Amino acid sequence: GAVVSQHPSRVICKSGTSVKIECRSLDFQATTMFWYRQFPKQSLMLMATSNEGSKATYEQGVEKDKFLINHASLTLSTLTVTSAHPEDSSFYICSASFMNTEAFFGQGTRLTVV
Amino acid sequence: AQKITQTQPGMFVQEKEAVTLDCTYDTSDQSYGLFWYKQPSSGEMIFLIYQGSYDEQNATEGRYSLNFQKARKSANLVISASQLGDSAMYFCAMRERGRDDKIIFGKGTRLHILP
Repeated sequence: GAVVSQHPSRVICKSGTSVKIECRSLDFQATTMFWYRQFPKQSLMLMATSNEGSKATYEQGVEKDKFLINHASLTLSTLTVTSAHPEDSSFYICSASFMNTEAFFGQGTRLTVV
Repeated sequence: AQKITQTQPGMFVQEKEAVTLDCTYDTSDQSYGLFWYKQPSSGEMIFLIYQGSYDEQNATEGRYSLNFQKARKSANLVISASQLGDSAMYFCAMRERGRDDKIIFGKGTRLHILP
């Protein structure tokens, strides 16, 4: 399958700081990228959908100003958690797809805010 | 309303036996796609199999097959000859073509393969 690289895999940050997570499609052009959040022992909750060159579409209840998503190129999307707080601690995972085909996932990022 | 329903929170299966993981979905769209992913304890999401709504034959990928019953809106995953390495969380997901093209997930089934 296609390769999607997500970085970093783990990050610990202080409360009030911002954290950027990168999601790269290594061997295909990702026209659409999805960002999910997963709490322990729960399913993936879609946060937002981003198409290259346009603004992300956020799911209801997800704060746009809190979770900034940029999809500047067909191979890179970033999620920035701004002014992080302990309740933002979670597993964040991205996926990428090309032209409505199956979506391939990154390895995920475990964020801990202390 | 929940769009993807996985009714089995957990399952225990003896090694080498076949196992069926249930998934039902709800959509009014004619064009959609159904996926199964495996998530081991490491957290990565591993794509297993895909079924398009217009595909007439059930999808198969090695030991994985998808039992697609369109009228019942079910898309069960069948794993033949289960192995210890199959122990993981399994998620059923759906992509609706006309709804922002997003992929939504069921709550998952935790599969335990017993030696």
